[in-house]
Amino acid sequence: GEDVEQSLFLSVREGDSSVINCTYTDSSSTYLYWYKQEPGAGLQLLTYIFSNMDMKQDQRLTVLLNKKDKHLSLRIADTQTGDSAIYFCAELRWRALTFGSGTRLQVQP
Amino acid sequence: SAVISQKPSRDICQRGTSLTIQCQVDSQVTMMFWYRQQPGQSLTLIATANQGSEATYESGFVIDKFPISRPNLTFSTLTVSNMSPEDSSIYLCSVESRPGELFFGEGSRLTVL
Repeated sequence: GEDVEQSLFLSVREGDSSVINCTYTDSSSTYLYWYKQEPGAGLQLLTYIFSNMDMKQDQRLTVLLNKKDKHLSLRIADTQTGDSAIYFCAELRWRALTFGSGTRLQVQP
Repeated sequence: SAVISQKPSRDICQRGTSLTIQCQVDSQVTMMFWYRQQPGQSLTLIATANQGSEATYESGFVIDKFPISRPNLTFSTLTVSNMSPEDSSIYLCSVESRPGELFFGEGSRLTVL
């Protein structure tokens, strides 16, 4: 199975908060990432967190890291229709990334 | 952040031909990588492009099929050789601009007929 696991789909209403979850397996990962991919586009680096941190906040984005459970989450506050995309969780091992399968976020107006 | 340009952005190719994809970065970077994203899938690392030495390939990828060049710290190419329809994918260049900061280009969308 996948070393990095994500749920495939999440649907929210505009203005609500979205929480996308990810689990990983390698406790030696130094950094963990969230990327956004819109249709027909490349990957946009949204945010990343160093493995010795518990939380990182950047405007509407909050990343929580539970290293004991190897669980990473991305919270998007006040979700907008422009946030509709696929969100990839990734972990850094030996300076290269291992990705999850991606979570498709659908924002309903 | 690093600005990464990939060429071509998309191409349609015939079976048996080869295509070279270019990746240009606006600043010198130590680490450059090539990833593949098959239709509807996540990304898989093909290789690390090393400046001044041979690329380091991941399991399942070989130099004869995916030769890589890295002549300097701002440029790399990936060639997809002897293409088949199974090679239809998005190929993405990635760079580490600062420790932990990994950016991607817009990708090169390849369709093999």
